[in-house]
Amino acid sequence: QKEVEQNSGPLSVPEGAIASLNCTYSDRGSQSFFWYRQYSGKSPELIMFIYSNGDKEDGRFTAQLNKASQYVSLLIRDSQPSDSATYLCAVNLDSSYKLIFGSGTRLLVRP
Amino acid sequence: ETGVTQSPTHLIKTRGQQVTLRCSSQSGHNTVSWYQQALGQGPQFIFQYYREEENGRGNFPPRFSGLQFPNYSSELNVNALELDDSALYLCASSYPPGTAAYTFGSGTRLTVV
Repeated sequence: QKEVEQNSGPLSVPEGAIASLNCTYSDRGSQSFFWYRQYSGKSPELIMFIYSNGDKEDGRFTAQLNKASQYVSLLIRDSQPSDSATYLCAVNLDSSYKLIFGSGTRLLVRP
Repeated sequence: ETGVTQSPTHLIKTRGQQVTLRCSSQSGHNTVSWYQQALGQGPQFIFQYYREEENGRGNFPPRFSGLQFPNYSSELNVNALELDDSALYLCASSYPPGTAAYTFGSGTRLTVV
């Protein structure tokens, strides 16, 4: 079992819709959770991080964490074609601050 | 501008050769990590340096080594290159210190032929 799992997609949504990206992790000791966006040929860009159960909102983005279910998600409201990218979920396991990444979900926002 | 710069952007090497990749972080960013990202995969942790000492290593062989310098620059060295070493190599620094909220550099695309 992979430590961090994501559906590879592509997830296709129409412009203006809500995109829901999901991630599960295997280690219950995971402490913090990150979402990165990566455009083709570019490096990952940090969108959000979350440490506590519940929701965290930043503009059009909402991260949701459920430690009991070992599940973290990213919602993108009012999706724009410019949101089309690969979204990487990452988990921090311990104080070494090493991040374990999933393989990413490709999001396609149709105009 | 992310505050983390990497050089070179692209590199082609022959199997068996050695390569050095470079990274420069902003002043005060004394934690630097290196990741390898193969095509279609998420980044994989190679190692981390804090105040010029390696303080964490992923599942990579000893031919992957690194250095961090007092001026917040660092290097990733790979000896005896293999075809599977072809990947995007990412340097990342975190701020504030002690967080895992990394900012990645633009990466070095290494191709081994």
